Amino acid sequence: SQQGEEDPQALSIQEGENATMNCSYKTSINNLQWYRQNSGRGLVHLILIRSNEREKHSGRLRVTLDTSKKSSSLLITASRAADTASYFCATDRADKLIFGTGTRLQVFP
Amino acid sequence: GAVVSQHPSWVICKSGTSVKIECRSLDFQATTMFWYRQFPKQSLMLMATSNEGSKATYEQGVEKDKFLINHASLTLSTLTVTSAHPEDSSFYICSARDPLGDEQFFGPGTRLTVL
Repeated sequence: SQQGEEDPQALSIQEGENATMNCSYKTSINNLQWYRQNSGRGLVHLILIRSNEREKHSGRLRVTLDTSKKSSSLLITASRAADTASYFCATDRADKLIFGTGTRLQVFP
Repeated sequence: GAVVSQHPSWVICKSGTSVKIECRSLDFQATTMFWYRQFPKQSLMLMATSNEGSKATYEQGVEKDKFLINHASLTLSTLTVTSAHPEDSSFYICSARDPLGDEQFFGPGTRLTVL
């Protein structure tokens, strides 16, 4: 399968803690994107990092990309209960987005 | 960001019927749209790439005669699930690529339930 792998599959933390999700992929990419999905809803685009970038920030989000290891991580700092959702990485190859397996994040108040 | 809509947002149908799902880019023209399927607690799986004015490109394992895709205009792609069966019940999501950049904009999804 071309699909990327994410770990952990599920993550439970308390409000205020940081959450880190990891994504590994198999082939070369143009860019890597992170999305959020609330249960049964559509996708929300969080951040895009290009293959020539190593780190990117957006508010409480920090994304890193290591193309030599074919991996990326998403860090959510000072988590809130409203951050509870599924998070997916997606690699952009040949104009197609291939999604990872996802991480289900639960933030307890 | 740009807006992509889907219609209907949910549909329930009997086994053996066909269901059409529409995907529209509301404020930009999209020569390429994508259709994904998502089963409960799973990730999005790309089904096909919809190209305006030409045939869709299907991913391996996706039956093109069962999932008919038509991209007749620069703002509309349709997915028709023919002779639907309970195993086709899923969340179907479309996306359209930003013609000016790398981002894809996703529709809100259509939940199909086949009885």
